[in-house]
Amino acid sequence: EVQLVESGGGLVQPGGSLRLSCAASGFPFTYYWMHWVRQVPGKGLLWVSLINTGGNITRYADSVKGRFTISRDNAKNTLFLQMNSLRAEDTGVYYCARNPSGTGGYWGQGTLVTVSS
Amino acid sequence: DIQMTQSPSSLSASAGDRVTISCRASQAISNNLAWFQQKPGKAPKSLIYAASTLQSRVSSKFNGSGSGTDFTLTISSLQPEDSATYYCQQYNSYPLTFGGGTKVEIK
Repeated sequence: EVQLVESGGGLVQPGGSLRLSCAASGFPFTYYWMHWVRQVPGKGLLWVSLINTGGNITRYADSVKGRFTISRDNAKNTLFLQMNSLRAEDTGVYYCARNPSGTGGYWGQGTLVTVSS
Repeated sequence: DIQMTQSPSSLSASAGDRVTISCRASQAISNNLAWFQQKPGKAPKSLIYAASTLQSRVSSKFNGSGSGTDFTLTISSLQPEDSATYYCQQYNSYPLTFGGGTKVEIK
């Protein structure tokens, strides 16, 4: 069974840092590009970042460029999102997704990040 | 950035109806468009990619079409379990961008 399980969310003060993880199982993790997508509760979806299978190609939304870093550990079947210099507008549920707009699209259940003092 | 505009923002239809959701891109994106379904309190689900290709195990009641700037998602024979918000997304160029969503309700 395919599973994507996010963790690492929580309450953090503005300017702080968090590292999100997404543990993948039930499929060959190394075969898929992976994404992070954010959603403010009750609002729409915002694409945040993606990484290719080997980890050498990454892309970011302009709003997080220079502050967030996506990475993956293929040996541990885990995707990461390092979030620094957090702002209130970074608040939301962060979803990890396997190739969401291609073959085998699949989403995790999300982890909530709240940036507030 | 490519802007994605969905219409309507919400609709209400009866069980058994056929409904159509539109998605327009601010510039041509070939067929690099995906559709997602999100039920209340749940994670999004991938439905369609390449404008018209159904994801594995997605019901054939969902049909995607279009190319260039204009796309549609059609749901045939609407059922209560189809109540959800539907989003389109372009992946033709970075940053990837989503439409604002269409909320589908059953009368």
